[in-house]
Amino acid sequence: GNSVTQMEGPVTLSEEAFLTINCTYTATGYPSLFWYVQYPGEGLQLLLKATKADDKGSNKGFEATYRKETTSFHLEKGSVQVSDSAVYFCALVPIQGAQKLVFGQGTRLTINP
Amino acid sequence: GAVVSQHPSWVICKSGTSVKIECRSLDFQATTMFWYRQFPKQSLMLMATSNEGSKATYEQGVEKDKFLINHASLTLSTLTVTSAHPEDSSFYICSLQGWDQPQHFGDGTRLSIL
Repeated sequence: GNSVTQMEGPVTLSEEAFLTINCTYTATGYPSLFWYVQYPGEGLQLLLKATKADDKGSNKGFEATYRKETTSFHLEKGSVQVSDSAVYFCALVPIQGAQKLVFGQGTRLTINP
Repeated sequence: GAVVSQHPSWVICKSGTSVKIECRSLDFQATTMFWYRQFPKQSLMLMATSNEGSKATYEQGVEKDKFLINHASLTLSTLTVTSAHPEDSSFYICSLQGWDQPQHFGDGTRLSIL
């Protein structure tokens, strides 16, 4: 089956620290991979995505590289800000079949000034 | 700007009341619509998927008579929680998808049943 496993949170960092949130996946076939961000009281926003091996998705200083050999899609940012505080979800969509997103459990990130 | 409008954002009502949540696409035609439920500090749980012109497909364990989904048009989907009870209190999120587009999420509806 298809599943996504994320680094357990919560994660608390100081402003300007380096961020890594680990994400690994299990999928039959070649999925597309996504990172979504959820700010308090809001729905999800697409942060970045990658559709094939070795693709790098990037947005707002965040990056993630689709690593087929390690089945991973770790989220990184070189210098976090207080405004990055949110819950981050790693997700996949199997290439075949309906476009159902399979979510990881989410990682709550808090950035302190 | 926002491409999906979900309304209301917060509703509080008495047990036994039916509550309708609307989800609208603002600038694209949504061929597929999804409804999720999210418990505090947990991930999203897919409740159902509906494609244009067909009935919703419910995930295992989701009561279709309890959670009525209507894919009314290519721009509107509604979720009605019938005879709501306190255990139905949750955060409900819709997402819409058009041709060759990723899912766009609404801002969610916080439902509190007293």
